[in-house]
Amino acid sequence: GAVVSQHPSWVICKSGTSVKIECRSLDFQATTMFWYRQFPKQSLMLMATSNEGSKATYEQGVEKDKFLINHASLTLSTLTVTSAHPEDSSFYICSAFPPADRLSYTFGSGTRLTVV
Amino acid sequence: QKEVEQNSGPLSVPEGAIASLNCTYSDRVSQSFFWYRQYSGKSPELIMSIYSNGDKEDGRFTAQLNKASQYVSLLIRDSQPSDSATYLCAVKDFNKFYFGSGTKLNVKP
Repeated sequence: GAVVSQHPSWVICKSGTSVKIECRSLDFQATTMFWYRQFPKQSLMLMATSNEGSKATYEQGVEKDKFLINHASLTLSTLTVTSAHPEDSSFYICSAFPPADRLSYTFGSGTRLTVV
Repeated sequence: QKEVEQNSGPLSVPEGAIASLNCTYSDRVSQSFFWYRQYSGKSPELIMSIYSNGDKEDGRFTAQLNKASQYVSLLIRDSQPSDSATYLCAVKDFNKFYFGSGTKLNVKP
């Protein structure tokens, strides 16, 4: 089945530094990927839609200059959290539609970000 | 973003019992509904989808949809300890999913 690989699975960084998270579709091409964030005991919140070869579309209230998204190829989208602060600590998950099924997502394994 | 409401729980049921999970949504025009299971520290995995009013059964799981009441539920029969997880209700709008905060289910052996 379609697999979405996400790396790293966890990262700890110092406040003020930047962190890059990668999301790869391993056996299919994904022109669109989705980035979610989940705080403890809260819902997955859609942050942005990543579009191959064009600018990402951000949800209302998400700072595009802080959460940089690049979708440079049909199998790779990256999310960079710039100037991270402790309040950015969260579980970040990417997703994509597998080619044979446009009805539901395949999720990446998630990245636990802790900013100290 | 669209509103999807769930009781956070925890919902505790004994092994072998039926677990009933509920979800309401705000957008009347929503057409596609999904239940995901999420274990702690892991990403969600799809359990079921439902698009039409009524019941849809898949093994031990039954999804129920009532669009007039803007209500969707998930029944888990013969609950097992391995079913202990957080269950997320999701509504699809075009190609985006909007999730509830989830209901934590504990199945006691």
